[in-house]
Amino acid sequence: GENVEQHPSTLSVQEGDSAVIKCTYSDSASNYFPWYKQELGKRPQLIIDIRSNVGEKKDQRIAVTLNKTAKHFSLHITETQPEDSAVYFCAASLDNYGQNFVFGPGTRLSVLP
Amino acid sequence: GAVVSQHPSWVICKSGTSVKIECRSLDFQATTMFWYRQFPKQSLMLMATSNEGSKATYEQGVEKDKFLINHASLTLSTLTVTSAHPEDSSFYICSARAGGRETQYFGPGTRLLVL
Repeated sequence: GENVEQHPSTLSVQEGDSAVIKCTYSDSASNYFPWYKQELGKRPQLIIDIRSNVGEKKDQRIAVTLNKTAKHFSLHITETQPEDSAVYFCAASLDNYGQNFVFGPGTRLSVLP
Repeated sequence: GAVVSQHPSWVICKSGTSVKIECRSLDFQATTMFWYRQFPKQSLMLMATSNEGSKATYEQGVEKDKFLINHASLTLSTLTVTSAHPEDSSFYICSARAGGRETQYFGPGTRLLVL
């Protein structure tokens, strides 16, 4: 089955700096990769996703890149703000009806003012 | 759009009792719903997948007689923790997906404490 690893487990950056979180997956058939943000005690919220036919996707300060050959994808947050502080989870899934997500272990991002 | 509610948000119960948690998709029809368990500072662990009108598929190591899942309609799935014990205390989160789409939308979670 699919296995998703995520690094680093914790990340501290100064406000205004960039943050990068990287995930690797094992199943080359996986072709949908969402990123979720979870604030303490709250539900995970989808922040960006990418499908395997795209190498990069950007939404304002957030971008995701995908390298299918190497089986890794990364989340990039630019101009970080204190409200970006949260736990971020990556996931991998087969883009078929009924397939499940396998989540990475999460990265706790702290943006220091 | 794509709002998922979960009820109750908090529940405290005595050991041996059963607890039912409801998950509802409010503005879309959820052909598939998922139940996750999350321990403090850990990731989301999938417990089971349920499709409307059929039996749930449980992940390895999850007791189906312990965690009863019913997906009776396209907008409602329930998880019943039967004969709950302190080790069942956890944060339970559901998610829902519309047919033909891969994005999962999460409910706000239910924090269960078994005394």
